[in-house]
Amino acid sequence: AQSVTQPDIHITVSEGASLELRCNYSYGATPYLFWYVQSPGQGLQLLLKYFSGDTLVQGIKGFEAEFKRSQSSFNLRKPSVHWSDAAEYFCAAFIGGTASKLTFGTGTRLQVTL
Amino acid sequence: EAGVTQFPSHSVIEKGQTVTLRCDPISGHDNLYWYRRVMGKEIKFLLHFVKESKQDESGMPNNRFLAERTGGTYSTLKVQPAELEDSGVYFCASSQGVSETQYFGPGTRLLVL
Repeated sequence: AQSVTQPDIHITVSEGASLELRCNYSYGATPYLFWYVQSPGQGLQLLLKYFSGDTLVQGIKGFEAEFKRSQSSFNLRKPSVHWSDAAEYFCAAFIGGTASKLTFGTGTRLQVTL
Repeated sequence: EAGVTQFPSHSVIEKGQTVTLRCDPISGHDNLYWYRRVMGKEIKFLLHFVKESKQDESGMPNNRFLAERTGGTYSTLKVQPAELEDSGVYFCASSQGVSETQYFGPGTRLLVL
């Protein structure tokens, strides 16, 4: 079955520290991959996406993600975290075509300490 | 350009009552999706409209849920009668093409007491 896994439920980092959120997928073929963020009281905002091409993808708010086919991973990174990055982060995927429903990971809640 | 909007933002109802959620997609987006996040669980797909037609409703939990998209514009999701396990956040998303990025609304937080 198709699945997306986010191994870390909760992560705490200090402001200014680097961040890496893990995401692994299990699909028969390479899916389209996404990272969304949900800040407190807000909806889901798209951070970045990977459809094809360059495996290092730049997104908004200084985030980037790297697609690694050999590891079935699409990890999200940020060199220096800001207190406003505290939120819940979701990795998601779909195959495309008629199967365009997104499959989400369980989410990683990021806490930022000052 | 306005994003995806959802109404209401919150709803508290008693078990057995009916609730209708509304979603207005981004203008021009033919594809509209409903998702749900039950407390402590992952966000799960409910159904997908292409214009006014249901493309995929494989995620609808049971026949207490009815989704419509008359005229291919806004969509409603009705829960009748509501049960305790229906509590959660209902998200709507839209996309221009079927294999394109989905943009999400703020969600409707439903609490069934």
